[in-house]
Amino acid sequence: QQQVKQSPQSLIVQKGGISIINCAYENTAFDYFPWYQQFPGKGPALLIAIRPDVSEKKEGRFTISFNKSAKQFSLHIMDSQPGDSATYFCAASISDNQGGKLIFGQGTELSVKP
Amino acid sequence: DVKVTQSSRYLVKRTGEKVFLECVQDMDHENMFWYRQDPGLGLRLIYFSYDVKMKEKGDIPEGYSVSREKKERFSLILESASTNQTSMYLCASSSDFSGRGTDTQYFGPGTRLTVL
Repeated sequence: QQQVKQSPQSLIVQKGGISIINCAYENTAFDYFPWYQQFPGKGPALLIAIRPDVSEKKEGRFTISFNKSAKQFSLHIMDSQPGDSATYFCAASISDNQGGKLIFGQGTELSVKP
Repeated sequence: DVKVTQSSRYLVKRTGEKVFLECVQDMDHENMFWYRQDPGLGLRLIYFSYDVKMKEKGDIPEGYSVSREKKERFSLILESASTNQTSMYLCASSSDFSGRGTDTQYFGPGTRLTVL
């Protein structure tokens, strides 16, 4: 019930291509879905987040697509660049939970080849 | 800029030792978290704290304890280190500004702990 399942575990994309990472959840009480980006040697940092009242959110080359009925959401990176090579984590939370506890997916290691 | 610092980047300890991992944040955040990161398992929450002296178990608290005596400092304690606790440990903090649990978590750079 509390899990967030993320796929694929690793992804190799050519420069200029589209990177797509998928996440699925079971708990329908989740109502906040952030994505975090982690570069080697650094801690994760918030990239983009969505609430389920919208089906899509776009920030620059990064887009979250959200399908409430399927309980799935995905991250699309358009025109992928070598500088996007990082590990990406999806997450979910219940927004009125005290403390802001997040449930993270397993992570996707993205490599963008020049 | 929010800064979350962790006491060590790399740590090597022996089985059975008591290990302290320290985390300090400089943004007066109410919430602090300890995660461990393992390949293929993502970030798993060990413990979190939403106020001084308050703590709650996360998903994998066994073998760990925590201490939060001051708002800015959150310590993770391995009472008797074991080899299966070899991992990357990440500390994070967040405010409670929104009051709705959607505030950004800010992470430290991590401590890579090896238990021999």
